[in-house]
Amino acid sequence: NAGVTQTPKFRVLKTGQSMTLLCAQDMNHEYMYWYRQDPGMGLRLIHYSVGEGTTAKGEVPDGYNVSRLKKQNFLLGLESAAPSQTSVYFCASRRSTNEKLFFGSGTQLSVL
Amino acid sequence: AQSVSQHNHHVILSEAASLELGCNYSYGGTVNLFWYVQYPGQHLQLLLKYFSGDPLVKGIKGFEAEFIKSKFSFNLRKPSVQWSDTAEYFCAVNYNYGQNFVFGPGTRLSVLP
Repeated sequence: NAGVTQTPKFRVLKTGQSMTLLCAQDMNHEYMYWYRQDPGMGLRLIHYSVGEGTTAKGEVPDGYNVSRLKKQNFLLGLESAAPSQTSVYFCASRRSTNEKLFFGSGTQLSVL
Repeated sequence: AQSVSQHNHHVILSEAASLELGCNYSYGGTVNLFWYVQYPGQHLQLLLKYFSGDPLVKGIKGFEAEFIKSKFSFNLRKPSVQWSDTAEYFCAVNYNYGQNFVFGPGTRLSVLP
């Protein structure tokens, strides 16, 4: 049972490049989330999904897009990366609204 | 706006010292409260949670937290810390069973051997 798996673990982009982060969970969770973690600011919610085929904006959605074509996968896309998107990105999932979050190991992204 | 504050940015303790990390949250209705820990280079893991009932909750590794509703606080405690407790600690609040967990900025704990 792998839990929540994120790929890649590290990535360096140049300004304007695009990329997709993949999150996969094998716990049959309905809810999935993308957070970014910045020093001194804790984790902030980018986008989330309450089920296959659904997505919604979180606290800091600008510059990101997401898709949930399959229940187990939640993709985070950056169409045109900016230095302000340099951060550590965490994916999380949970079974229901009354349960804890399970986190992936994170993706460290640097945009030069 | 919903917000969570943590009193200390960085705490340095010697082994066997007692620990208390403060967490306060803004009013926003029904709350579920969490403490997560992030060991160096690892992902966030749940230490403990409070949903209802006894306001003193016990978690893993000897940690406990007390929910004081009147003070909007959920402070984390451990009677005797170990070097292996060196990590960053995040308080998080889920308001009204919504989708967002509001995280505090984190407190970095360094335990000196």
